[in-house]
Amino acid sequence: KNQVEQSPQSLIILEGKNCTLQCNYTVSPFSNLRWYKQDTGRGPVSLTIMTFSENTKSNGRYTATLDADTKQSSLHITASQLSDSASYICVVSALTGGGNKLTFGTGTQLKVEL
Amino acid sequence: EPEVTQTPSHQVTQMGQEVILRCVPISNHLYFYWYRQILGQKVEFLVSFYNNEISEKSEIFDDQFSVERPDGSNFTLKIRSTKLEDSAMYFCASRSRSRESGANVLTFGAGSRLTVL
Repeated sequence: KNQVEQSPQSLIILEGKNCTLQCNYTVSPFSNLRWYKQDTGRGPVSLTIMTFSENTKSNGRYTATLDADTKQSSLHITASQLSDSASYICVVSALTGGGNKLTFGTGTQLKVEL
Repeated sequence: EPEVTQTPSHQVTQMGQEVILRCVPISNHLYFYWYRQILGQKVEFLVSFYNNEISEKSEIFDDQFSVERPDGSNFTLKIRSTKLEDSAMYFCASRSRSRESGANVLTFGAGSRLTVL
């Protein structure tokens, strides 16, 4: 069964600090991995998408890594801001006959405080 | 930036009532999806829709659920007889046809919160 596990479940950091969120997956056959940011009461918004051949991808202060051999990904947030407070969801896509099927992680709830 | 628009933002209904959630996907997108998220839980796939038919559905999407694209712009999710456990946030999403990884990203709407009493 395809699964996506994220850690930590929740995290509190001070504004300006860096943090790293982890994602482990057992999804096959692997197509791509996405990180989404979900503000409370809103829909997920895509941050990065990575395919099998990509190891690192950056989007501003967000840097995602992917190790397809160990089936792990991380999302590093640099110089955190209060607006970074949200749930960060790792989503892994598996190739199916009808296209891509997404498996969502439970998310890491990040809170950035003054 | 193009958006996926969902209405209503919040609906409260009595158990057993029919509910229709509406979505306006991004205009040039061809693949449409419904997901739900029960409070405190992860996002779950319900159904995908392409070329005016369901392409895939999950075990959650039973006979009480149906989807429709009645007029070429709206994409609706109907729950015929709501149950307490249908209370959740329902997200509509869409994507374009391109197979490029960047264009394969789903764009989600803000969600419709359904509360069944």
